[in-house]
Amino acid sequence: NAGVTQTPKFQVLKTGQSMTLQCAQDMNHNSMYWYRQDPGMGLRLIYYSASEGTTDKGEVPNGYNVSRLNKREFSLRLESAAPSQTSVYFCASSRTVSNQPQHFGDGTRLSIL
Amino acid sequence: AQSVTQLDSHVSVSEGTPVLLRCNYSSSYSPSLFWYVQHPNKGLQLLLKYTSAATLVKGINGFEAEFKKSETSFHLTKPSAHMSDAAEYFCVVSGDSGYALNFGKGTSLLVTP
Repeated sequence: NAGVTQTPKFQVLKTGQSMTLQCAQDMNHNSMYWYRQDPGMGLRLIYYSASEGTTDKGEVPNGYNVSRLNKREFSLRLESAAPSQTSVYFCASSRTVSNQPQHFGDGTRLSIL
Repeated sequence: AQSVTQLDSHVSVSEGTPVLLRCNYSSSYSPSLFWYVQHPNKGLQLLLKYTSAATLVKGINGFEAEFKKSETSFHLTKPSAHMSDAAEYFCVVSGDSGYALNFGKGTSLLVTP
């Protein structure tokens, strides 16, 4: 009954370090998403993948890259971390992209010093 | 462009009293609307969704929301608050192309004994 699993749950990085956040879903969903959540800002879409083999930019893609490894897995990479990327990152998935509810993981809490 | 405004950033109610969380939306066409709940250090959980089938939508844990097109509102209600309802609530509208969800900034619900 896992749903959407994110690893790691917590991470502290130094400015300039790189890191990959992992996400996997077991609901056979076609679409996957990465969001960041900052206080008072709601959730903002970083990147999404409508289906295996495709990725597209969301609202705040700068400083990030993504890989849709297969239908289950969608990773988010920070190539050179900056303090402004300190946030809580959520992965989500949905059956398709069109007006579907999304299912969320528990988040990765990332601090960049 | 689709957007939502949650009219209250904080709401405080006594246990056993009604809950009202207000949400207005803007949309160029008939949108899909959702309410999500987020408990501390957890991901977002879908409470309910509106997709034009019925204007009064019932969700989990006794919550319901009414879609009012003339008022462009989608307020969340519950007849009697429980301590476990204390959480952050997000009103969400589907994006222009349907792929993205646009989140409100959230309403923090406090339930006092």
